[in-house]
Amino acid sequence: GGIITQTPKFLIGQEGQKLTLKCQQNFNHDTMYWYRQDSGKGLRLIYYSITENDLQKGDLSEGYDASREKKSSFSLTVTSAQKNEMAVFLCASSIGTRQDTQYFGPGTRLLVL
Amino acid sequence: GEQVEQRPPHLSVREGDSAVITCTYTDPNSYYFFWYKQEPGASLQLLMKVFSSTEINEGQGFTVLLNKKDKRLSLNLTAAHPGDSAAYFCAVSARYGGSGNKLIFGTGTLLSVKP
Repeated sequence: GGIITQTPKFLIGQEGQKLTLKCQQNFNHDTMYWYRQDSGKGLRLIYYSITENDLQKGDLSEGYDASREKKSSFSLTVTSAQKNEMAVFLCASSIGTRQDTQYFGPGTRLLVL
Repeated sequence: GEQVEQRPPHLSVREGDSAVITCTYTDPNSYYFFWYKQEPGASLQLLMKVFSSTEINEGQGFTVLLNKKDKRLSLNLTAAHPGDSAAYFCAVSARYGGSGNKLIFGTGTLLSVKP
């Protein structure tokens, strides 16, 4: 088995601020993902990475940067936080990108004042 | 590209009743499907992974049906109990760019099971 950890658990920021979320996995999975979860909208893919130093844009990449520093970690940066923004950011990992199951971390809850 | 519609958005049942959540998808070439459960404040847990070759999939206390002709995936909880109260998400594996597949998620169903 393995585990995905996300830090911080809660993130409160100011409008215009750059905010960074971190994700670590010990599954030894190749692929990692960042999703945004908004109430009533399901999960939307922001970025994913199929290996160390690889980055692929998802459907919601505008306003975000990502970094896959090493196989076990994947960071997401909100480049300029939007006022009244509230969402949960979920990190996931899988062995590959084809039929493999994605395993999710506990999430980071973002609130922008 | 692939689109997934999930219904209903909210579902309230009594303990012991059945509960049915349905997703419809558009890409007839989709071949992997997933159901996830998300309890309040927690992350998504895999309930079941379904392959396109299997139409009836039995889990513990639930059944997942895949109707490829109608492009419909359903989660049927046979005798719901309060511990089943959670949000449920379907996901369909779809081709994405040149880098493999990605999951397209339904918008979720919030299930409430009352004693």
